[in-house]
Amino acid sequence: QKEVEQDPGPLSVPEGAIVSLNCTYSNSAFQYFMWYRQYSRKGPELLMYTYSSGNKEDGRFTAQVDKSSKYISLFIRDSQPSDSATYLCAIKEAGKSTFGDGTTLTVKP
Amino acid sequence: EAQVTQNPRYLITVTGKKLTVTCSQNMNHEYMSWYRQDPGLGLRQIYYSMNVEVTDKGDVPEGYKVSRKEKRNFPLILESPSPNQTSLYFCASSSLAGVSYNEQFFGPGTRLTVL
Repeated sequence: QKEVEQDPGPLSVPEGAIVSLNCTYSNSAFQYFMWYRQYSRKGPELLMYTYSSGNKEDGRFTAQVDKSSKYISLFIRDSQPSDSATYLCAIKEAGKSTFGDGTTLTVKP
Repeated sequence: EAQVTQNPRYLITVTGKKLTVTCSQNMNHEYMSWYRQDPGLGLRQIYYSMNVEVTDKGDVPEGYKVSRKEKRNFPLILESPSPNQTSLYFCASSSLAGVSYNEQFFGPGTRLTVL
């Protein structure tokens, strides 16, 4: 079993929709929870990180962590065509990072 | 401009011919890391470094070496490349100030093909 499992997608939504991206993890020792966005042919960019259960909001993006269920989510409100990318969850323990396989999102105008 | 640079960006080589992929950052970051990305497998961590002269294995270190002699540089060395190391490689750096990972940057990637 993988340490981090990500809903595979792909996802295709109309512009303005709310998008939910999800990951589960198995190791309770994980300390930090990240979401990255990767455009085609580019390196990932860090969107959000958190280290506690609960919600963290940044503009249209909300990261949610439930440590008791070992479940993390990223919500995108009012999705835009420019949000079309692959989204990767990642979980960190000290310096070691484990990534999900990514979910490719397409937002159609 | 804050950035992580990798060289070369593209490389085609043959089995067994030693190669080095360089990574350099200009942000005085303590933490640097190497990843490989393969279709359907996401990003997998190869090695990371928390500071100068401190390196640790990630999930897939076999066949790779790293060194961190200076803060800004973190080269990835393939002593005897094999075809299963054909992949897209990313270097990343981040600040460890406090416990914040907010400042984190990835390089543009190095596409390596081993024949």
